[in-house]
Amino acid sequence: AQTVTQSQPEMSVQEAETVTLSCTYDTSESDYYLFWYKQPPSRQMILVIRQEAYKQQNATENRFSVNFQKAAKSFSLKISDSQLGDAAMYFCAYITGSARQLTFGSGTQLTVLP
Amino acid sequence: EPEVTQTPSHQVTQMGQEVILRCVPISNHLYFYWYRQILGQKVEFLVSFYNNEISEKSEIFDDQFSVERPDGSNFTLKIRSTKLEDSAMYFCASTSGGAEIGELFFGEGSRLTVL
Repeated sequence: AQTVTQSQPEMSVQEAETVTLSCTYDTSESDYYLFWYKQPPSRQMILVIRQEAYKQQNATENRFSVNFQKAAKSFSLKISDSQLGDAAMYFCAYITGSARQLTFGSGTQLTVLP
Repeated sequence: EPEVTQTPSHQVTQMGQEVILRCVPISNHLYFYWYRQILGQKVEFLVSFYNNEISEKSEIFDDQFSVERPDGSNFTLKIRSTKLEDSAMYFCASTSGGAEIGELFFGEGSRLTVL
């Protein structure tokens, strides 16, 4: 079965500090893609960052970066210089190369403290 | 910037009633999805739709559910006889199916409350 596990239901970080959200996944596929989606209080989920499993280099998008450990099936999200607008529910997700639907983790609620 | 729009934003219905949730995907997208999120739980896949037919569906998507693309723009989810456990946020999503695999564009969701 394809699963995504986010072991931290809630996290908090001080504004301007760095926080890391963890995610592990399980798949037997070799071709897959990993994602972090952000769901702010307005409810619309938006893509934060994307990682192709065949790429060894960790993806980076401005203040957001990932630590992709393929052998460990781990895909953590690091948010640097946290801002109040980063407060949201963060979902880890993945999709296989052959499928067209995302499998989501249970989410981590991030609070940013001023 | 193009976006996925959903209506209604919130619907309250009585158990056993039929509900139709509507979505307008991004115009040049080819793959359409419905996901749901029961309060406090993970986002769950319901169904994907491509080329005017269901391409994949989950165990949740039983005979009470159906999807339709009645015209060139709308994508609807129908629940024939709602149950209490259907109360959830329902998200529509679409993607072009091009190089950016997995980059789904989500709507803001339709909250369904079944009494």
